[in-house]
Amino acid sequence: DTGVSQNPRHKITKRGQNVTFRCDPISEHNRLYWYRQTLGQGPEFLTYFQNEAQLEKSRLLSDRFSAERPKGSFSTLEIQRTEQGDSAMYLCASSLSSMNTEAFFGQGTRLTVV
Amino acid sequence: AQTVTQSQPEMSVQEAETVTLSCTYDTSESDYYLFWYKQPPSRQMILVIRQEAYKQQNATENRFSVNFQKAAKSFSLKISDSQLGDAAMYFCAYRRFTGNQFYFGTGTSLTVIP
Repeated sequence: DTGVSQNPRHKITKRGQNVTFRCDPISEHNRLYWYRQTLGQGPEFLTYFQNEAQLEKSRLLSDRFSAERPKGSFSTLEIQRTEQGDSAMYLCASSLSSMNTEAFFGQGTRLTVV
Repeated sequence: AQTVTQSQPEMSVQEAETVTLSCTYDTSESDYYLFWYKQPPSRQMILVIRQEAYKQQNATENRFSVNFQKAAKSFSLKISDSQLGDAAMYFCAYRRFTGNQFYFGTGTSLTVIP
């Protein structure tokens, strides 16, 4: 296993289009996180899964955003009717569920909405 | 709400010298975890070092060490014998003891001068 994998690495889309990103976590990790990072800022939490259950969602996650992890393995993040403000790096991370563990991050998907 | 503050947007250090990156945080919790992550230009975040708040001893990992001052809510990172490969964005992060999400600071961009 080579770590957390995210696809695509880059996505350019027109405003109003829908986009979907995929994250494949480290295989034995049951926790999966989505973060958004804009230029000059640290990652901001979007949502969190424990296995297939979405247990926490940030207020940043508007109704246009939806995330799934159907079988407790890979996850998808969909943004509907994209807006220019959605342009950012979307980071996925995974971890084990033990208390003191760190999160392992993917390389991210850079979204540009034009 | 937990907040993490990194007051140094940019820092530079001569190769082989020592540099200290600052981080303060705000929390009402007594048990929590603190992390320093490194984000090189390739964008994949990598854990540098981790500190459990209930441990008084400062964490060390080879050339990296922290100065954890719980009462002052301060968590600085010291990099000794700086190397060119240390150049990156460094993010300080906080996680509650029983929490799921990581709270990140805005980052410090470290330049290593040959």
